[in-house]
Amino acid sequence: DGGITQSPKYLFRKEGQNVTLSCEQNLNHDAMYWYRQDPGQGLRLIYYSQIVNDFQKGDIAEGYSVSREKKESFPLTVTSAQKNPTAFYLCASSSTGGNGYTFGSGTRLTVV
Amino acid sequence: GENVEQHPSTLSVQEGDSAVIKCTYSDSASNYFPWYKQELGKGPQLIIDIRSNVGEKKDQRIAVTLNKTAKHFSLHITETQPEDSAVYFCAASDRTGYALNFGKGTSLLVTP
Repeated sequence: DGGITQSPKYLFRKEGQNVTLSCEQNLNHDAMYWYRQDPGQGLRLIYYSQIVNDFQKGDIAEGYSVSREKKESFPLTVTSAQKNPTAFYLCASSSTGGNGYTFGSGTRLTVV
Repeated sequence: GENVEQHPSTLSVQEGDSAVIKCTYSDSASNYFPWYKQELGKGPQLIIDIRSNVGEKKDQRIAVTLNKTAKHFSLHITETQPEDSAVYFCAASDRTGYALNFGKGTSLLVTP
């Protein structure tokens, strides 16, 4: 079955540590995205990538970094510079443009 | 990103009644408007979408209407069922055609 997989589902980290969230898709989609979801805030765009080896900042990119070395993979690193990293992180992909996102099931990151 | 306003933030209806959720957007370049349903602890799922050259689209009990002049679009769910209870998000494409700007969500509760 084609789909988009985020791992792990839950992640706990100590303050000051970098952490990398995994996102893999087997839908042959060109574009991939990272969103952050906080209660009452909707979904806010962190980074997106239209093709391999290319990515653009979204509205809240500060404190985050990404790479896109393979079409299937778009990992997100939450760095120690991110002031409030505890949140639910969603990865998505689409075949062209922003049309018809397929979302992963999310990673809930808690920084203590 | 450009602003997408969504109302109401919470909505409670009785089983069998209709539910309407409304969104407005600010970017006149937006041309794609999807709606997503998110159940607790899961990623959002696309339920219906509409493009700017269409005024209305229907899929069984779900319909979406778009007024490009007024920059607003609405989700209509008829004959609601308890399994329709979830958080619903509207979104509008940005001027790059890749990223989506999301509303803050509507928590719909359908009571038996």
